Amino acid sequence: EAQVTQNPRYLITVTGKKLTVTCSQNMNHEYMSWYRQDPGLGLRQIYYSMNVEVTDKGDVPEGYKVSRKEKRNFPLILESPSPNQTSLYFCASSFGVKNYGYTFGSGTRLTVV
Amino acid sequence: AQTVTQSQPEMSVQEAETVTLSCTYDTSESNYYLFWYKQPPSRQMILVIRQEAYKQQNATENRFSVNFQKAAKSFSLKISDSQLGDTAMYFCAFIDSNFGNEKLTFGTGTRLTIIP
Repeated sequence: EAQVTQNPRYLITVTGKKLTVTCSQNMNHEYMSWYRQDPGLGLRQIYYSMNVEVTDKGDVPEGYKVSRKEKRNFPLILESPSPNQTSLYFCASSFGVKNYGYTFGSGTRLTVV
Repeated sequence: AQTVTQSQPEMSVQEAETVTLSCTYDTSESNYYLFWYKQPPSRQMILVIRQEAYKQQNATENRFSVNFQKAAKSFSLKISDSQLGDTAMYFCAFIDSNFGNEKLTFGTGTRLTIIP
């Protein structure tokens, strides 16, 4: 089944403890992206990648890192999480966003205490 | 920078009725693409419909159709014969046609409830 797989689905962590949210897609998509969803703010792009080793900042990149060492994987790294990073996170991928939009993963609910 | 505005935070409608969700956007580009996404309680993001700005004809997907008014920068979603499964958050999204731009900009969403 063609899909974007994110793990974990839920995560509770403490301030300052490094964490990684994994994302993998099996559709051979070039483009991948991370969004965060907050009430009243919609979805905001954190980082995106146009291909292996090519990444760029979105609207809210502060406090996040990404890497794209393989085409299928695009992990999101929080080096020192803070409570304001409590959010719902989505990974997404596409052959071309203009023509196909993004295919989204099922989301990761992160709580930082 | 492009912005997308959804002015209706919440809406509700009786089952089988027709409902229209509003979306406006701001851009100086002449060509771009617009999308509606649905997010049911399962929180999965599902693509509902896509519209290309240079196409005059409004997109339609089964019970879902759009009213695209380019001059007014308006992109509303009409759901006909609404069903309980249409209960969800709906997000409008925009992307311009510039090469290398893969940023889909979302609105703040409209929470739609279908009442039995």
